[in-house]
Amino acid sequence: DARVTQTPRHKVTEMGQEVTMRCQPILGHNTVFWYRQTMMQGLELLAYFRNRAPLDDSGMPKDRFSAEMPDATLATLKIQPSEPRDSAVYFCASGLTGTGRMGNYGYTFGSGTRLTVV
Amino acid sequence: AQSVTQPDIHITVSEGASLELRCNYSYGATPYLFWYVQSPGQGLQLLLKYFSGDTLVQGIKGFEAEFKRSQSSFNLRKPSVHWSDAAEYFCAVGVPFTSGGSYIPTFGRGTSLIVHP
Repeated sequence: DARVTQTPRHKVTEMGQEVTMRCQPILGHNTVFWYRQTMMQGLELLAYFRNRAPLDDSGMPKDRFSAEMPDATLATLKIQPSEPRDSAVYFCASGLTGTGRMGNYGYTFGSGTRLTVV
Repeated sequence: AQSVTQPDIHITVSEGASLELRCNYSYGATPYLFWYVQSPGQGLQLLLKYFSGDTLVQGIKGFEAEFKRSQSSFNLRKPSVHWSDAAEYFCAVGVPFTSGGSYIPTFGRGTSLIVHP
C-alpha cells in the first residue's frame, strides 16, 4: 500500500531550538495537510497545500511556525524557536483533490512525528 | 463555522457486543462526513465516508454509519466488536474548498474504545 512517510517519528529537543519535520506525500497526490494533535486541543489544522501552493496557514502561530513544499515529494514544517507548548504529535496527510470525482477518494495520514520540547 | 461533537470520551464494551459511537455535527450546508480510526502510535485511517445518497454507509472492518439530517448525527455502529477494534475513533465533517468534492476535515475530540475480553 502507498504510504505517507513522516520523519522523524520522535524528536526531543530543548526549548529555543529549531525543529524541522518532514513529510513525503503519496506520489501523485496534490494536496497536503498538516495537523497537530494534543490531549487538550485534539486535532488542529495547521496548514494545507494544493499543487505545492499554500492555501491556508491560519492555524499556525506565524511568528514561530512555517510550512513549505520545496517540491511535490516533500512538505516541511519548521518551528523556530520551539517552546514546551509545542509538544504534540504532528500529522501530515495527503490526497488527490479537484479531479471532479466526488466521494471516490480520501486522505491518507502518516504515522506522525511526536515532538517533545523540554 | 463547522464543528463536530463526540459526546463520549470513553466507551467500554465486551468483545462480541454491539457498538454505537455517537457523533453530532454543526454545518450550514449538506455535510461531507467521515469516521477515522487511530491505533496507538499510528496515523488516522479512514473507516467510511458519506458524501450524498444512501444515508446508511458501509465501511471497512465491518463498520457502518447512518446519516440523520434531522438530528445532525452520524453515528458509527458495529454489530459485534472484536478485541482488535480497541482504538481511538474520530468523527469529522468535511468543508469543501475546491470543486470536485475536495474538502478539509474538521475533527471531533475522539472517543476511546476499550474492549473487554
